[in-house]
Amino acid sequence: ILNVEQSPQSLHVQEGDSTNFTCSFPSSNFYALHWYRWETAKSPEALFVMTLNGDEKKKGRISATLNTKEGYSYLYIKGSQPEDSATYLCASEGQGFSFIFGKGTRLLVKP
Amino acid sequence: SAVISQKPSRDICQRGTSLTIQCQVDSQVTMMFWYRQQPGQSLTLIATANQGSEATYESGFVIDKFPISRPNLTFSTLTVSNMSPEDSSIYLCSVSQAAYEQYFGPGTRLTVT
Repeated sequence: ILNVEQSPQSLHVQEGDSTNFTCSFPSSNFYALHWYRWETAKSPEALFVMTLNGDEKKKGRISATLNTKEGYSYLYIKGSQPEDSATYLCASEGQGFSFIFGKGTRLLVKP
Repeated sequence: SAVISQKPSRDICQRGTSLTIQCQVDSQVTMMFWYRQQPGQSLTLIATANQGSEATYESGFVIDKFPISRPNLTFSTLTVSNMSPEDSSIYLCSVSQAAYEQYFGPGTRLTVT
């Protein structure tokens, strides 16, 4: 694949549910995989950057994994809260600071 | 990290007019970039804003349509010229100070009628 694909496009969950999203990216010219959290009218916030196959990162209730051989990354949110509602972007970084972004997964957590 | 502000935060413009978006960073940065996100699409890099020289444009973007200024290491402007409804997008500036990092501004939401 040449593009970064994210699924699902949108997701509605209940407060307390755990959820996960997928990011598929080109395995060629891979340098790093980035996850961002983007709330409306705010700056996209960097969540994780991963570079090595098998990398796992965690920040509070949010974690991410990376598989560079097959070209995918998962983002997990445990016990979703309404404040987790946002669009989650992933981006594949190639050499020369070339970023390819996915279209994002829009998460809505209902109280 | 870097704190980035953009002006305006949103605007509604008539077709055929131009809008200049400002990006201000709270520290000196070497690398500054301009992106846009059209409705339902991915964030796409428009150009790298180079201090003291012409911006470097990505394929599909040209200087006549998106002139960029970078007078110093903390400030840049992007102009969207001769606008059409297809230019309705969120425009973001970003900066990078080290490998693997990129910080974004809050974006400018542009609607062209």
